[in-house]
Amino acid sequence: DAGVIQSPRHEVTEMGQEVTLRCKPISGHDYLFWYRQTMMRGLELLIYFNNNVPIDDSGMPEDRFSAKMPNASFSTLKIQPSEPRDSAVYFCASSLARQGFWYFGAGTRLSVL
Amino acid sequence: KNEVEQSPQNLTAQEGEFITINCSYSVGISALHWLQQHPGGGIVSLFMLSSGKKKHGRLIATINIQEKHSSLHITASHPRDSAVYICAVWFGNEKLTFGTGTRLTIIP
Repeated sequence: DAGVIQSPRHEVTEMGQEVTLRCKPISGHDYLFWYRQTMMRGLELLIYFNNNVPIDDSGMPEDRFSAKMPNASFSTLKIQPSEPRDSAVYFCASSLARQGFWYFGAGTRLSVL
Repeated sequence: KNEVEQSPQNLTAQEGEFITINCSYSVGISALHWLQQHPGGGIVSLFMLSSGKKKHGRLIATINIQEKHSSLHITASHPRDSAVYICAVWFGNEKLTFGTGTRLTIIP
């Protein structure tokens, strides 16, 4: 397996634009997690899915953020409209169990100008 | 309240030294992760544990449930161990909280 794949690796956009981040988990992993990392707040869990169903989205900062997992091999994190404070590195990870070993993607570095 | 505290924030050591990084938490947990993040930015999971001790190569992770404390040890440290080490805790209320990280620098 190629591991967890995230795209794009880098995204630069202007304030107010819609941004979509993508993640392909490891095949067979039932759990998918989205995290955000900033200098100010460190790592934060945004949302996680089990078998494509969102389980806990309490970390999603506000209504501008939404995440979907239409099937077991694909998830998206969307920000609409984007703001400069959304600039961060967004990581996706998958695992076999909620408290199982995490496998991280390389991350998407988002810059909102 | 779900709180996680790591210490030290920064640690510089000579190659070959034994390294200990600590993670303390406020209330009962169900599991704890140790993560490694190199300057390039990628994150690697090192351990997931809920009790006892785990070892992988030169890395050892321990957890003491009664004392609400976990340690990550590195034996015979090497410059390639230079990274930020982060603990993440699943609390009993199923909430995940990250520590702020320990920046380790190993000098040749």
